[in-house]
Amino acid sequence: DAKTTQPPSMDCAEGRAANLPCNHSTISGNEYVYWYRQIHSQGPQYIIHGLKNNETNEMASLIITEDRKSSTLILPHATLRDTAVYYCIVKVSGGGADGLTFGKGTHLIIQP
Amino acid sequence: ETGVTQSPTHLIKTRGQQVTLRCSSQSGHNTVSWYQQALGQGPQFIFQYYREEENGRGNFPPRFSGLQFPNYSSELNVNALELDDSALYLCASSPTSGRAQETQYFGPGTRLLVL
Repeated sequence: DAKTTQPPSMDCAEGRAANLPCNHSTISGNEYVYWYRQIHSQGPQYIIHGLKNNETNEMASLIITEDRKSSTLILPHATLRDTAVYYCIVKVSGGGADGLTFGKGTHLIIQP
Repeated sequence: ETGVTQSPTHLIKTRGQQVTLRCSSQSGHNTVSWYQQALGQGPQFIFQYYREEENGRGNFPPRFSGLQFPNYSSELNVNALELDDSALYLCASSPTSGRAQETQYFGPGTRLLVL
């Protein structure tokens, strides 16, 4: 699986949009981009995933660049409960039995 | 719909002992993966079970073993515990058709402390 690069930490004001970047310059054509978050001492929570088109669900939006080498997770109206470590993971969906490869993620801190 | 559950929530063992951790997969999910998360690190993949057989393994020694039952629940067994085995152990389930793997959903974890 391709590796990802994320900033170690970010701050965002409550009520504003939080934009979390991720670089995955070695991503291959059959690899999806997944985002998970982990609130302190809890299990990771699935947020969203996509292949090449932008995706939106009730939690967030995922913007993938046309060359697929980077992506941005957008939390449209951040709340204090969105403070967590956010992991960007690239993974083949379909075939293979490898687990998810977590990096160090981005520690997002929402400021009141 | 019931999510992934794990037991126990916390556990204290001494070095050299053996431990069994349990996981019930989310309804409709037939694949279970186990991860170890040391303090301050991201989760590390231990292994995956599908159709009651180990279907993939990360870089963990043989003293980490597992089982999957016909109802898709799973156990993680660790023998000869070492101090470095102290970690949060996470179980994730996914609906899988053959070897195609879908999104994994995680349980709350079991925190193991080895003294």
